[in-house]
Amino acid sequence: GEDVEQSLFLSVREGDSSVINCTYTDSSSTYLYWYKQEPGAGLQLLTYIFSNMDMKQDQRLTVLLNKKDKHLSLRIADTQTGDSAIYFCAESPNNNDMRFGAGTRLTVKP
Amino acid sequence: DSGVTQTPKHLITATGQRVTLRCSPRSGDLSVYWYQQSLDQGLQFLIQYYNGEERAKGNILERFSAQQFPDLHSELNLSSLELGDSALYFCASSDAQGANTEAFFGQGTRLTVV
Repeated sequence: GEDVEQSLFLSVREGDSSVINCTYTDSSSTYLYWYKQEPGAGLQLLTYIFSNMDMKQDQRLTVLLNKKDKHLSLRIADTQTGDSAIYFCAESPNNNDMRFGAGTRLTVKP
Repeated sequence: DSGVTQTPKHLITATGQRVTLRCSPRSGDLSVYWYQQSLDQGLQFLIQYYNGEERAKGNILERFSAQQFPDLHSELNLSSLELGDSALYFCASSDAQGANTEAFFGQGTRLTVV
């Protein structure tokens, strides 16, 4: 079946940039999303990108989309300890259901 | 606070039992989505309702069912529970019919089947 894949762990130092990568397989996906899940909390939509865009910037967050390689990345500039969480990449191939990756656990060390 | 309320927060029950999870969407949102998050399966879409009607179905087992009521709250019913049903069940809501960019998630209900 179609899978969304992400690396499971990422560790960075406070102040550095974090880059979380994701690959997806359904080229018909219209929207691609990044969600953040903090311990004991639900998922929070961080940002999204339409499939006809290749970059989107929102404050410290930059999303890059390489549609040819079906590769999505999330860059967090000046990473803070409060950014420690699990980050989920998701695709929406038919604008109804969403398929999520397994999540990348970001640890930010002071 | 996302505005989506799920109850209960925790639930422990025995195999073979039936439970009902409840979700109140954000005020004004017509769509409700249910997701299951487990260690082995990750986060999976189960089902979506829009204004009381089933809109989309994902990997939802036949033992599970859901409905959305006239006041737009939704319930997810899980029956003949198995150990493998232990998971975090999330509800999300949005004001659109599709997997809108503005879907807001609740805190989840953690179900433990013993």
